[in-house]
Amino acid sequence: DTAVSQTPKYLVTQMGNDKSIKCEQNLGHDTMYWYKQDSKKFLKIMFSYNNKELIINETVPNRFSPKSPDKAHLNLHINSLELGDSAVYFCASRFGYSAEKLFFGSGTQLSVL
Amino acid sequence: GESVGLHLPTLSVQEGDNSIINCAYSNSASDYFIWYKQESGKGPQFIIDIRSNMDKRQGQRVTVLLNKTVKHLSLQIAATQPGDSAVYFCAVITGTASKLTFGTGTRLQVTL
Repeated sequence: DTAVSQTPKYLVTQMGNDKSIKCEQNLGHDTMYWYKQDSKKFLKIMFSYNNKELIINETVPNRFSPKSPDKAHLNLHINSLELGDSAVYFCASRFGYSAEKLFFGSGTQLSVL
Repeated sequence: GESVGLHLPTLSVQEGDNSIINCAYSNSASDYFIWYKQESGKGPQFIIDIRSNMDKRQGQRVTVLLNKTVKHLSLQIAATQPGDSAVYFCAVITGTASKLTFGTGTRLQVTL
């Protein structure tokens, strides 16, 4: 009954590969996010979707492409992985645009070798 | 852009003492503030929030104080326990933007 679930939890891959991280929420939220957390624990927003529409797109390399097949899912595809992509990626969700708290998944630790 | 929480990376407190974690924000139009707790290997978990029309809010063992004059908020944890050891983040939302901006985080270490 996990509210926001991400898969996989760990992802180890070689430079240059393409990989995807999946996220699903069962909270009935319509806004979902991807955040990146670096080794110093800094959390930076990458993307946000509301009802399958992209509403936030921060300065992220275009090798990163989010896809939202429906409002309960937001996947992140990364092309041509680089060493600097190594980080923990968190999915989050909430209801609407209003000032309300986000609910986070448990993270995907990506290691690019 | 928004800058939030630029100091206090580590705080060490004894079990049973009170903890105070501070956060500074830069945008005076910020109107919603949240504290998150992140334990090792987990995602951030909501602790408590406060809106800009309030200056204090209390939860179970936690209190958030907001000082809009100096753009500062704090998280107070009463009778700190070993289970409180984690990284704590403040986060802000400004205006109608749906973007939640996080501070740099403070690691709380509880010693026995």
